[in-house]
Amino acid sequence: QVQLVESGGGVVQPGGSLRLSCAVSGLTFNNYGMNWVRQAPGKGLEWVAFIRYDGVNKYYADSVKGRFTISRDNSKNTLYLQMNSLRAEDTAVYYCAKDLFHRYDPGYYFEYWGQGTLVTVSS
Amino acid sequence: EIVMTQSPATLSVSPGERATLSCRASQSVSSNLAWYQQKPGQAPRLLIYGASTRATGIPARFSGSGSGTEFTLTISSLQPEDFAVYFCQQYSNWPPRFTFGPGTKLDIK
Repeated sequence: QVQLVESGGGVVQPGGSLRLSCAVSGLTFNNYGMNWVRQAPGKGLEWVAFIRYDGVNKYYADSVKGRFTISRDNSKNTLYLQMNSLRAEDTAVYYCAKDLFHRYDPGYYFEYWGQGTLVTVSS
Repeated sequence: EIVMTQSPATLSVSPGERATLSCRASQSVSSNLAWYQQKPGQAPRLLIYGASTRATGIPARFSGSGSGTEFTLTISSLQPEDFAVYFCQQYSNWPPRFTFGPGTKLDIK
């Protein structure tokens, strides 16, 4: 059974930093690209970042480029999102999501999702 | 940048009836389109990818169609558990971008 479990969310002041983690089990983690997708309260979905199965390639939404960094540790089956220079508009539930297809770069669709972790940027 | 729109914003349908949801892309996305279902307090669930292929475990009452800029998700006979918000999503290869539509809320009539 595939499981994705996010952690690391919380309340942070504007300009602050936070690191999210996503622990993955039930699949061969290093065979799949991974993503972060966020959802502001009561709003729609916004793709944030993608990382290739081996960590070599990374892509970001324009809204977070230069502030957020996606990474992964395939030895720990864990995905990360380092978020710096946080703004009020970054307030959202952050989901990690596994690519549908094996070893695609970039991925196309989001097959499995975690339950999400809430990040609130507020003074 | 490709912009996705969905209509209607809210659709009220009775259980057992058919629901038809629309998604439009601002330019052609070929068949590079997916549909997701999201229930309150839950993560989205992949229903359809490649415009018309059902994801693993998705009931046959869900079907997708379309290509280019116009897409449709049809739920043939609504079950109580189908009332949720539905999002479409496209991807672009270069630069890599994944864009969601604003969603359609499917309500019980």
